[in-house]
Amino acid sequence: GAGVSQSPSNKVTEKGKDVELRCDPISGHTALYWYRQRLGQGLEFLIYFQGNSAPDKSGLPSDRFSAERTGESVSTLTIQRTQQEDSAVYLCASSFGTRTDTQYFGPGTRLTVL
Amino acid sequence: GNSVTQMEGPVTLSEEAFLTINCTYTATGYPSLFWYVQYPGEGLQLLLKATKADDKGSNKGFEATYRKETTSFHLEKGSVQVSDSAVYFCALINDYKLSFGAGTTVTVRA
Repeated sequence: GAGVSQSPSNKVTEKGKDVELRCDPISGHTALYWYRQRLGQGLEFLIYFQGNSAPDKSGLPSDRFSAERTGESVSTLTIQRTQQEDSAVYLCASSFGTRTDTQYFGPGTRLTVL
Repeated sequence: GNSVTQMEGPVTLSEEAFLTINCTYTATGYPSLFWYVQYPGEGLQLLLKATKADDKGSNKGFEATYRKETTSFHLEKGSVQVSDSAVYFCALINDYKLSFGAGTTVTVRA
């Protein structure tokens, strides 16, 4: 597609529920990244995929967070048993995959945990 | 580790004023440096980039020069417009991972 797309754009959930966030990268981009942006703060790295493998999961905050990717296509970030501190904008980015390539961002999913 | 420190805001300017947002970084190796911009209600967009020392990135009248000796990548624009009101993020990439500054909110008044 023309750009990185994410769905849903907004998600409101109750504490304790599971949520799935989806990212569709730019066609041809082999690398895919998830970041989190809490209100008034910069971006936190969560996880990076090269193809469908995840060489770097170091940013995942806890074992409630997981992500998978199908080939060089869609990725899903899953948060289990959501907590209020998980409320944030979750951003996905993609790139051609070399170590310093420009990353292009999607519009984000705003997650609110009540 | 890698880190980015940028000037805290908010910054409020009049139209046609000169804008500078300071950014310094700490990194191992040879990172690439970026400025991203987030306009109200929109997603993060790449504004400009520089991939090696002494490179100058430029776009939409904005410029930033990669200064390895001072580990800086300050953003400048000579004459801002109301449409430049946004949050600006300095970032570096090293080994695939982007590290961002906290962001600087810029408001330009007519």
